[in-house]
Amino acid sequence: GNSVTQMEGPVTLSEEAFLTINCTYTATGYPSLFWYVQYPGEGLQLLLKATKADDKGSNKGFEATYRKETTSFHLEKGSVQVSDSAVYFCALSDNTNAGKSTFGDGTTLTVKP
Amino acid sequence: DTGVSQDPRHKITKRGQNVTFRCDPISEHNRLYWYRQTLGQGPEFLTYFQNEAQLEKSRLLSDRFSAERPKGSFSTLEIQRTEQGDSAMYLCASSLELANTEAFFGQGTRLTVV
Repeated sequence: GNSVTQMEGPVTLSEEAFLTINCTYTATGYPSLFWYVQYPGEGLQLLLKATKADDKGSNKGFEATYRKETTSFHLEKGSVQVSDSAVYFCALSDNTNAGKSTFGDGTTLTVKP
Repeated sequence: DTGVSQDPRHKITKRGQNVTFRCDPISEHNRLYWYRQTLGQGPEFLTYFQNEAQLEKSRLLSDRFSAERPKGSFSTLEIQRTEQGDSAMYLCASSLELANTEAFFGQGTRLTVV
């Protein structure tokens, strides 16, 4: 079956540091890949997505590239802010049913001023 | 449209009681999903509807759980005879029936069974 593995957290960074959160996946076929962000007590917000190999998703300074050869979708940001503190989830879905997703366990990011 | 809305946001119930949650999807979305998220874990798929038809149920959805979407608009998730292990955040999401699209999540209902 499908699975998503994220780097274990928590991750603590200073403001303006570079961020990488690793994500690898196992899936049949060619899934769509997503990064979601969850703030305390809130639901999930889609951060970015990529629907085919070599696509790069980007939003709010975050980027991730769909790497089929390494089955990875690592999240990066060049300069984090305190407001980026949240839990980040990597997920995949069949590209014909976007809402039926398999999620990783999440990585908690804390950014200190 | 204000997005996916869920009600209530928080629910505390005694073990053995029944609870019902409501989800209102984005109005033009014909697909609706329910997930459960326990502390420190990612969301786990429970079930989904296309219009009023329930097309798939996870094995996580025990027979104490039932979901409905009677007119293809809002949905309810009922848990009968709640147990402490049911304590979790219950998330609803909706999407269009299109390839390469995305799902939009509500803010969730946090259930605490005491």
